[in-house]
Amino acid sequence: EAGVVQSPRYKIIEKKQPVAFWCNPISGHNTLYWYLQNLGQGPELLIRYENEEAVDDSQLPKDRFSAERLKGVDSTLKIQPAELGDSAVYLCASSSGSGSPLHFGNGTRLTVT
Amino acid sequence: QKEVEQNSGPLSVPEGAIASLNCTYSDRGSQSFFWYRQYSGKSPELIMFIYSNGDKEDGRFTAQLNKASQYVSLLIRDSQPSDSATYLCAVREGSGNTGKLIFGQGTTLQVKP
Repeated sequence: EAGVVQSPRYKIIEKKQPVAFWCNPISGHNTLYWYLQNLGQGPELLIRYENEEAVDDSQLPKDRFSAERLKGVDSTLKIQPAELGDSAVYLCASSSGSGSPLHFGNGTRLTVT
Repeated sequence: QKEVEQNSGPLSVPEGAIASLNCTYSDRGSQSFFWYRQYSGKSPELIMFIYSNGDKEDGRFTAQLNKASQYVSLLIRDSQPSDSATYLCAVREGSGNTGKLIFGQGTTLQVKP
């Protein structure tokens, strides 16, 4: 079984630039999550999708962050414009249902200079 | 915001010893608890989950849950240097199976040969 695939693995951008991350969940997993992880901290949920519907986006800073999950499979997370404080690892995870264990991708390490 | 608390460590144990990792949570209604292991630079991977009070054993790992004390722990028997990693406690918010997963900051374990 292929795992959760994320790209890119690393991204360095200047502040005020846009950036996008892509995630392909495990086949058949209807629930997809985007988490943010700062150094030395646990992951924090940004948004959760059930199929193509965002069911929990209360922690997503909507002034600069956006996400979509077209056709209920792949998802993209976008930041525009990026700020220095956005430097972190962005993790995508998927599960076979909201109550099932999460499987994480390798993450995208974002550095904003 | 519900809270999950862990001692960040590092917790240092000699090879072959028992490592004990602890976690407390604030949401008295939570029913689902997870332990993830995260190697440096890697994504979290699920190692245990527990739903009922008491102990749950899987190989060298034992999860212990005490809902009355709002406390969950992970014991690693016969610790190996390969167990050196950060261990994240995660608690599902609310009493159902659709609440979001809240992570602690993680405890760094160092197993010395």
